[in-house]
Amino acid sequence: LAKTTQPISMDSYEGQEVNITCSHNNIATNDYITWYQQFPSQGPRFIIQGYKTKVTNEVASLFIPADRKSSTLSLPRVSLSDTAVYYCLVGDVRGNYGQNFVFGPGTRLSVLP
Amino acid sequence: NAGVTQTPKFRVLKTGQSMTLLCAQDMNHEYMYWYRQDPGMGLRLIHYSVGEGTTAKGEVPDGYNVSRLKKQNFLLGLESAAPSQTSVYFCASSTWTAGDTEAFFGQGTRLTVV
Repeated sequence: LAKTTQPISMDSYEGQEVNITCSHNNIATNDYITWYQQFPSQGPRFIIQGYKTKVTNEVASLFIPADRKSSTLSLPRVSLSDTAVYYCLVGDVRGNYGQNFVFGPGTRLSVLP
Repeated sequence: NAGVTQTPKFRVLKTGQSMTLLCAQDMNHEYMYWYRQDPGMGLRLIHYSVGEGTTAKGEVPDGYNVSRLKKQNFLLGLESAAPSQTSVYFCASSTWTAGDTEAFFGQGTRLTVV
């Protein structure tokens, strides 16, 4: 089970790009990297998932270097509504995925006006 | 399409009482999960299921039991509630397709044990 390490908290200002890095040194060959967002009093919400290189959707980009030992979630031009906790998960999406669906403490992002 | 629905949304129990939390999903997902989240903390996996009739222990299974008699439902039971089980409980469901394993979460159940 790949352990992840993220910064506990980050501050940013509206309109800036925010990059949150997650370290996962013992990631396995079959593991995917997934990011979730959680607002207070709500369940987490899927943001993006990737295996290698770069993945982009309408919300964020995910950068994964060749060695896959880390990944960076990039949020372009954040707004106050992006204030939330962001979780990085690493796990094999096949077979025993359930036991790998474990959340760490996450990164608490505060966007300031 | 309701997604993942948890019942009830709030509950207060006395120490020693029992209760069952219901999670229902209408997306035909194979995987279902129960988490607890204490104030200011991340989610901790209690139990999960990889299909109808199967369950497995997560990180913090003690004091809880689960059942998955129907594919769409995942029940979490507390046989004898303790104040340490005061928490917000989240249910989730997902598929298991490689590269497309988005999990959907319910709105949570806030449980207080007094």
